[in-house]
Amino acid sequence: DTEVTQTPKHLVMGMTNKKSLKCEQHMGHRAMYWYKQKAKKPPELMFVYSYEKLSINESVPSRFSPECPNSSLLNLHLHALQPEDSALYLCASSQVGLYNEQFFGPGTRLTVL
Amino acid sequence: EDQVTQSPEALRLQEGESSSLNCSYTVSGLRGLFWYRQDPGKGPEFLFTLYSAGEEKEKERLKATLTKKESFLHITAPKPEDSATYLCAVQGMNYGGSQGNLIFGKGTKLSVKP
Repeated sequence: DTEVTQTPKHLVMGMTNKKSLKCEQHMGHRAMYWYKQKAKKPPELMFVYSYEKLSINESVPSRFSPECPNSSLLNLHLHALQPEDSALYLCASSQVGLYNEQFFGPGTRLTVL
Repeated sequence: EDQVTQSPEALRLQEGESSSLNCSYTVSGLRGLFWYRQDPGKGPEFLFTLYSAGEEKEKERLKATLTKKESFLHITAPKPEDSATYLCAVQGMNYGGSQGNLIFGKGTKLSVKP
């Protein structure tokens, strides 16, 4: 299985809602990533997990809270978001080590009203 | 500062008209250069990894090459289904921890007309 899956595909939420994005991979990768992508821009790295431990947090606001329950799953918990947080949220995974191309999921299109 | 610049921003081709996309990079020790294809509203699809100058990789109508300063993605006899945004990313050696960031270029939007 060479696929990264993400749920839901689309999410609309109000600024007071709490929601979660989910990501799953079965490629045996031990590094997982969250990216944010705005329209016509490249992906921006948010978080990196390596061996289920948070290794990089790119100064992301605390209204985004990542969680890595096990080596196959990655969650992104959302709370009190702003309309400017509307974007395509991408999950990726890779091997850990020197040669580690990242494989991306299809993304979750998030709209914050 | 590590940097990736892609050109052109947009490219329109007729079906069968071969061309090249450019990715220029500045990085403190290249760990790898990656090419991705992205369709609108979807996640990037991995195409190639290049690790050292002189390396070349091919897949169907696409061929990626690497020098010490830039990479080219050559598209031979493109078809309308090759229309997409092509992203280049580099990973450098100078990052803490076991994983390094990908530094993405802004992409080249390719349109192939029948």
